[in-house]
Amino acid sequence: EVQLLESGGGLVQPGGSLRLSCEASGFTFSNYAMNWVRQAPGKGLEWVSTLGGSGSTYYADSVKGRFTISRDNSKNTLFLQMNSPRADDTAIYYCAKTDNYYGSGALDYWGQGTLVTVSS
Amino acid sequence: DIQMTQSPSSLSASVGDRVTIACRASQGIGNNLGWYQQKPGEAPKRLVYGATSLQSGVPSRFSGSGSGTEFTLTISSLQPEDFATYYCLQHNTYPRTFGQGTKVDIK
Repeated sequence: EVQLLESGGGLVQPGGSLRLSCEASGFTFSNYAMNWVRQAPGKGLEWVSTLGGSGSTYYADSVKGRFTISRDNSKNTLFLQMNSPRADDTAIYYCAKTDNYYGSGALDYWGQGTLVTVSS
Repeated sequence: DIQMTQSPSSLSASVGDRVTIACRASQGIGNNLGWYQQKPGEAPKRLVYGATSLQSGVPSRFSGSGSGTEFTLTISSLQPEDFATYYCLQHNTYPRTFGQGTKVDIK
């Protein structure tokens, strides 16, 4: 059974930093591209970033240059380093698996999410 | 960027009703579209992939159709557990884009 468990959310000040983690199990982690998707309170879903199995990275314009996606295949863990967060980055952040290695596929399984609140 | 326009934004329906949700892409995306269901306080769950293929374990009352720019999610006979918000997502190009969601509630 595929399981994705996010952690690392919490309260962060504008301009600070935060690192989110997503621990994966139930599949061969290194064989799949992985994603972050967020949902602001009461709003819809917004794609944030994708990391392909080969290392290719993609970012939404809203986070480019501030957020960095990475992975540690030895620990089956995906990360999102959030630098210089802004109030409009406040959201639940979901980790989601892609159904192929390269990142060209669809999102199939999602974690339960971790809440990030950016406020002073 | 590809814009995904979903309609309606909300609808009220009764148990047993047939429900149709539409999603239009601003340019052709082939069949690179998925449908997701999200209940309050829960993570999204994939229902349909490749525009028309049903995710394993999803009831057969759900179906997807379309290709190119016009897509539809149909629930043939709405059940109490189907009251939720539904999203389409295109994975043809980056950035990935979602429709704005359709909230299905009880009439």
